[in-house]
Amino acid sequence: QSALTQPASVSGSPGQSITISCTGTSSDVGAYNFVSWYQQHPGKAPKLMIYDVSNRPSGVSSRFSASKSGNAASLTISGLQAEDEAEYYCSSYTGSSSYLLFGGGTKLTVL
Amino acid sequence: EVQLVQSGAEVKKPGESLKISCKASGYSFTSYWIGWVRQMPGKGLEWMGIIYPSDSETRDSPSFKGQVTMSADKSISTAYLHWDSLKASDTAIYYCARKPDGQNYFDYWGQGILVTVS
Repeated sequence: QSALTQPASVSGSPGQSITISCTGTSSDVGAYNFVSWYQQHPGKAPKLMIYDVSNRPSGVSSRFSASKSGNAASLTISGLQAEDEAEYYCSSYTGSSSYLLFGGGTKLTVL
Repeated sequence: EVQLVQSGAEVKKPGESLKISCKASGYSFTSYWIGWVRQMPGKGLEWMGIIYPSDSETRDSPSFKGQVTMSADKSISTAYLHWDSLKASDTAIYYCARKPDGQNYFDYWGQGILVTVS
């Protein structure tokens, strides 16, 4: 099964909002409400930002929100801050032997 | 505090074997799955597989099946990833991460282990 599709890069200025898309298929993103999002700063381990499509773990800023429509999910970061500059990965359960898929990652640059 | 502490960086030659570890603390080790995720140099995350330490049930990614072996030792709350014969293409950072049972995300991650095969 192929990785989920994400844009390679997005950018925005401090204070602005950006959205990162994650496109899958009817066998993964479209079939289950098990999409999660991870933030990874250079040289660091990934950090869970969103689980089950739109839920934020304790401690994650409310500036991070997410949703899903059909076979595509999206992560929105509002009020961009310099510390948000990182790589973002989506992930989805597939229900098959592949079990879990990651997206290719999106590099967010805060201008 | 939940912690996953991984063993140190490794430098190996092609054909050598390797076992890396992930020691869990701060929670019930047998109540959560442990997953392994590969990140090749400059690349994205790849799910390798998960293991349930309570009974050592595993689920392997088709991409990694037969390439690595996952195991866990409940007595010392430690999960392992083992290679019988390393290849240069195994050079990567390997992360362990905790997956709540019945859920499909990783909520805590280890710091990662850089494995260099050269």
